[in-house]
Amino acid sequence: QSVLTQPPSVSAAPGQKVTISCSGSSSNIGNNYVSWYQHLPGTAPKLLIYDNNKRPSGIPDRFSGSKSGTSATLGITGLQTGDEADYYCGTWHSSLSDLWVFGGGTKLTVL
Amino acid sequence: EVQLVESGGGLVQPGGSLRLSCAASGFTFSSYPMNWVRQPPGKGLEWISYISSSSGTITYADSVKGRFTISRDNAKNSLDLQMNSLTAEDTAVYYCVRTRYSSGIHPDYWGQGTLVTVSS
Repeated sequence: QSVLTQPPSVSAAPGQKVTISCSGSSSNIGNNYVSWYQHLPGTAPKLLIYDNNKRPSGIPDRFSGSKSGTSATLGITGLQTGDEADYYCGTWHSSLSDLWVFGGGTKLTVL
Repeated sequence: EVQLVESGGGLVQPGGSLRLSCAASGFTFSSYPMNWVRQPPGKGLEWISYISSSSGTITYADSVKGRFTISRDNAKNSLDLQMNSLTAEDTAVYYCVRTRYSSGIHPDYWGQGTLVTVSS
């Protein structure tokens, strides 16, 4: 079971908007920055969002991130079929045994 | 262009050992902390090890502590993961991942991964 909780799946139609939640605790999200990754099977995961809401160069502004308390959210607008992938949140976890933790992943289906 | 290329994966028997390598290019390798992250079949991502840019700080997930050893050679732009006492639960795609410091710290670039299968 992952330290960060994400919904297993979300779906929406092309052109629509979707949000993916990531819930944690004060040991991780509550006191650290969150990043988000897109993963298509067989490829290298790609960084979409870092420092809660910043986009790396080349990531379209259709992707956005936010954080409130111990939860974070990834938003995707103007959905495209190419957005169909697994999405993971991640953050630093302050404990003796863990350093970086990921959510369990959310499968996005573009209907 | 940042490139991370893993190698060394394959089929190994339970209890066996395997050494993974990651060749880095396109950036100043010695300036960045690095990680290994794995993904078991059908499951999510699991961070397993971190090494600072100078190798001064090394950490492991509990699931691999005492069995896996991370190391790097900044002169050769390479990152290694020595895996011992392997079990079926170690079967996964293993990714070499760069870490970047910003306001926080986050993994940014990932390799394509190398598959490790532990089976008799």
